[in-house]
Amino acid sequence: AQSVTQLGSHVSVSEGALVLLRCNYSSSVPPYLFWYVQYPNQGLQLLLKYTSAATLVKGINGFEAEFKKSETSFHLTKPSAHMSDAAEYFCAVSQNSGNTPLVFGKGTRLSVIA
Amino acid sequence: DTAVSQTPKYLVTQMGNDKSIKCEQNLGHDTMYWYKQDSKKFLKIMFSYNNKELIINETVPNRFSPKSPDKAHLNLHINSLELGDSAVYFCASSLGATRQETQYFGPGTRLLVL
Repeated sequence: AQSVTQLGSHVSVSEGALVLLRCNYSSSVPPYLFWYVQYPNQGLQLLLKYTSAATLVKGINGFEAEFKKSETSFHLTKPSAHMSDAAEYFCAVSQNSGNTPLVFGKGTRLSVIA
Repeated sequence: DTAVSQTPKYLVTQMGNDKSIKCEQNLGHDTMYWYKQDSKKFLKIMFSYNNKELIINETVPNRFSPKSPDKAHLNLHINSLELGDSAVYFCASSLGATRQETQYFGPGTRLLVL
C-alpha cells in the first residue's frame, strides 16, 4: 500500500529564510509524487510533480523538490520565503500502475514571520 | 472563467436532512473526483469518475451517492446527514485517469451539520 508521511504539522520560518518541508513516501512500485498548496479558504493547487523524469523538479513560485529513492523522500524547498507563501502544503503519492487513488499526507502548515 | 466550480460554497443544515453539492468543470477533462477534508485538514478520496463511469469508490457510507450526468459534471448527494459529515468537500478533475495527471481542485463546499 502506498502512503505519505509529512514530518511537522507546522513549520515557521522568517521572511527570506530557507523553506524546507519534509515528505517521505512508501510505495511498492515506482511512485509519482506531488506537492500541492492550499491557501486559506481555497482549493488545492499543484506546485510540482515527479513522474520519473528528472529527480530535481522545479515548480511554481520558486519551489523545487528532489526525489531521492534511497531515502524514499521528496522534500520541498524554497531558498527565500515570502509572506505570500504562508499556506498549507500537501505531499501526495500515486502508484504508476493499477487503479489506486492519489494518497495525501496530513499536510504541513507554513507560517512566515516578518 | 473558473475551471472547477462548486455550489454551494457553504451549506449549513440539520441532522437527518438530505443535501446535494454540485460540481462543474470547463477544462474538457474526462476524470472527476470528490474528496473530503476533515477538521484536521486530512484529505481523502471518496469517489472518482472517468467518462461518467465510476472507477474509484472508497469506503464511504452508502448515504453518499455521486452522480455524473455528463463528463463536465459530478454531483454529490448525501442522505440522512450526520454530525460527522461536517467537513469541506472538494471536487477535482484531471485530463485522464492515469496516475501522473495533475488534478485541478474546486474551491470547496463547507458543510456544517447541526
